[in-house]
Amino acid sequence: DARVTQTPRHKVTEMGQEVTMRCQPILGHNTVFWYRQTMMQGLELLAYFRNRAPLDDSGMPKDRFSAEMPDATLATLKIQPSEPRDSAVYFCASGDGRSYEQYFGPGTRLTVT
Amino acid sequence: TQLLEQSPQFLSIQEGENLTVYCNSSSVFSSLQWYRQEPGEGPVLLVTVVTGGEVKKLKRLTFQFGDARKDSSLHITAAQPGDTGLYLCAGDTSGTYKYIFGTGTRLKVLA
Repeated sequence: DARVTQTPRHKVTEMGQEVTMRCQPILGHNTVFWYRQTMMQGLELLAYFRNRAPLDDSGMPKDRFSAEMPDATLATLKIQPSEPRDSAVYFCASGDGRSYEQYFGPGTRLTVT
Repeated sequence: TQLLEQSPQFLSIQEGENLTVYCNSSSVFSSLQWYRQEPGEGPVLLVTVVTGGEVKKLKRLTFQFGDARKDSSLHITAAQPGDTGLYLCAGDTSGTYKYIFGTGTRLKVLA
């Protein structure tokens, strides 16, 4: 049963600390998306990769957020320094690039105090 | 700027009732998707529509894409408690699989 996995599932940290979230896309998928979900803003696209190259990161605050794909099986989203307004659920999704389907992971719930 | 507005925002109905959820925009979409999300989980794709006027059925769920590809609806027949969740529409304006999500409709079906 192929699934997108995300770690950690929950993270509580203090303002100013660095946070790294990890995502393992479904094996064979070449597109990876990072989303952020809050009650106020809903689900927002932060960044989008194809074949490990960033295609669009216009939704991401550039000064503190960074997203990378060190290899085809790992995507990372880093926040440095973190702020209380970054508190949200961060989702990773992957797709095969040939269809419209995106498969979401279970998310990382981040709380910044 | 929210491109996709969903209505209603909240809906609480009794088991067996029918309901319709709407997704509206002023933008034209090359494709539009509907997802259901349950608490503590990521959204799960229900359907993708790509042709104006297209109607797709998934068991008791009927999805319609507007003729002008600016709006969509989701109709559930004889709702069941298992249909409870957050329903999200998502549209792609550029044909690059970059989807913008709607505001969401929270549905609760009471037994």
